[in-house]
Amino acid sequence: DSGVTQTPKHLITATGQRVTLRCSPRSGDLSVYWYQQSLDQGLQFLIQYYNGEERAKGNILERFSAQQFPDLHSELNLSSLELGDSALYFCASSVGTGINSPLHFGNGTRLTVT
Amino acid sequence: QQPVQSPQAVILREGEDAVINCSSSKALYSVHWYRQKHGEAPVFLMILLKGGEQKGHEKISASFNEKKQQSSLYLTASQLSYSGTYFCGTTPQGGSEKLVFGKGMKLTVNP
Repeated sequence: DSGVTQTPKHLITATGQRVTLRCSPRSGDLSVYWYQQSLDQGLQFLIQYYNGEERAKGNILERFSAQQFPDLHSELNLSSLELGDSALYFCASSVGTGINSPLHFGNGTRLTVT
Repeated sequence: QQPVQSPQAVILREGEDAVINCSSSKALYSVHWYRQKHGEAPVFLMILLKGGEQKGHEKISASFNEKKQQSSLYLTASQLSYSGTYFCGTTPQGGSEKLVFGKGMKLTVNP
């Protein structure tokens, strides 16, 4: 158990809808990262927060947004969903930043858009 | 700036050794290695930092050639439990904290 909690585990929704994925980092970790993993694809970096502030951004679509709250949990909002958004979304946390701190991954939220 | 991993897949017999390579077109500050088993989350293996500091696992080691912007992960005397997909992630020099992963290398260890 990595100590990173992601909810829900599974999400099935229709095209055009909006969903929110939630992540609680390990106790003491200040950084939260979001990654998207599609079938047979690698881990696509979406966005990183450190202590409430956005620190790095990847190829995150404009339809996607995220934030980290004062209690350090994070939410990833996906809107106007398309079939291609179906994927496994991982949240990871670390004590410091990704430069020299190991990432601890949650078990992911599997999103299916129908 | 996604790192490139090679080979894409390897099949070994238990006890054999494997090397996984990771290269980047950018100057690197750090290289991370993770292993993901099917249906599970990626698990941290080690980080290599610019300057040569290394952290690791037993029977699994790695090198980081800063000049060539390359890293290699060495798996010695592979065990069945080593099966999975290995990802390298890199952060560039210059202060960016963006940790970008390669597409992974699938390792299958057979008895």
